[in-house]
Amino acid sequence: AQSVAQPEDQVNVAEGNPLTVKCTYSVSGNPYLFWYVQYPNRGLQFLLKYITGDNLVKGSYGFEAEFNKSQTSFHLKKPSALVSDSALYFCAVRDTTGGFKTIFGAGTRLFVKA
Amino acid sequence: DTAVSQTPKYLVTQMGNDKSIKCEQNLGHDTMYWYKQDSKKFLKIMFSYNNKELIINETVPNRFSPKSPDKAHLNLHINSLELGDSAVYFCASSQDIGQGAGYFGAGTRLSVL
Repeated sequence: AQSVAQPEDQVNVAEGNPLTVKCTYSVSGNPYLFWYVQYPNRGLQFLLKYITGDNLVKGSYGFEAEFNKSQTSFHLKKPSALVSDSALYFCAVRDTTGGFKTIFGAGTRLFVKA
Repeated sequence: DTAVSQTPKYLVTQMGNDKSIKCEQNLGHDTMYWYKQDSKKFLKIMFSYNNKELIINETVPNRFSPKSPDKAHLNLHINSLELGDSAVYFCASSQDIGQGAGYFGAGTRLSVL
């Protein structure tokens, strides 16, 4: 069965510093991996996805994520955090070997301090 | 022009009532989804339709019935509402079933009293 874990409930970072939001996954086949951001009282916004190809994926708002197959990880990164990046971030995974269900992690709240 | 729009945005109702949430996407996508987000922000898929055909039907009570009159619309009808149904319900769409939900609506906050 597929699963996804975001080990940190909350990440705190100072503005201008690099940020990392962690995600690990478990699937039986090859994964499709996604990152979404949710601002207060808003729907989810798609940031980026990995399906195949280059392990480093670039997305919206300067975010990127690195697919690491051996560590089954897909950590979200940004070189320089902004206060406006403060939000709830969700990692999601879909197992490509049958079934079309996308499973979401529990979410990580990012606080960027000025 | 909103890509995925759902109505209403807020829904407050009494236990035992029947209510519907509507969703429309203007992206020309083939696949639409309903997700439930609980008070702890945990997201869980409920249903997925591809070209009006039910693809994913998670273990949700049969009081929840999705209806897709065409591939641009996926409505959610809930019978005999219970307190535990209180949550935020998100509609989403993707170009096809293989892509995973890419575009989300703003959500419908359902409060059952």
